[in-house]
Amino acid sequence: GAGVSQSPSNKVTEKGKDVELRCDPISGHTALYWYRQSLGQGLEFLIYFQGNSAPDKSGLPSDRFSAERTGGSVSTLTIQRTQQEDSAVYLCASSAWSNEQFFGPGTRLTVL
Amino acid sequence: AQSVSQHNHHVILSEAASLELGCNYSYGGTVNLFWYVQYPGQHLQLLLKYFSGDPLVKGIKGFEAEFIKSKFSFNLRKPSVQWSDTAEYFCAVNPAPNYGGSQGNLIFGKGTKLSVKP
Repeated sequence: GAGVSQSPSNKVTEKGKDVELRCDPISGHTALYWYRQSLGQGLEFLIYFQGNSAPDKSGLPSDRFSAERTGGSVSTLTIQRTQQEDSAVYLCASSAWSNEQFFGPGTRLTVL
Repeated sequence: AQSVSQHNHHVILSEAASLELGCNYSYGGTVNLFWYVQYPGQHLQLLLKYFSGDPLVKGIKGFEAEFIKSKFSFNLRKPSVQWSDTAEYFCAVNPAPNYGGSQGNLIFGKGTKLSVKP
């Protein structure tokens, strides 16, 4: 079956613009995660959705970041008024009850 | 705050050398432990995981890791590396998972780049 997919694969934007990043998890996976991978920072947790429960937003770095998950499937991560420090690879992962998280290829965001 | 430390930023080995990558975590309760690998240009992939039971865990491609609870460590080992093992390796912890259906975000170390010379 298909793995986790993300789009776009690359996004270049200007400082101050809003961006939306999309994640399609593996079908049937109840949990969906967003992480950010920056040079020198490793992988940083952003937000976690589990079924119909309220998401765990504890990793979001500022209120410019938000995410939603529609119908328990596709998720969109939105960054408003982008800043240069937002440049990173944004990774999405999904898991079933095994807690093995399957990662997508990521979206490389560059803010000029 | 919970954290994961990987001691080596970049390791360079010749083929057939033995490998040990260190990983320590700071959390006193029950944890699930993982090693992920990212080959050049590819996704993160699970190498191995520990939930409970035998603390010596065997993963794919000849890798293994040992959970030592008293040392809060989960070091990754391979007896003989190959050029194809060149990649970045990430240790990760899921603190306080729910038994029988653990979920929750992972806390990652900063990664260790492994370069294997042919």
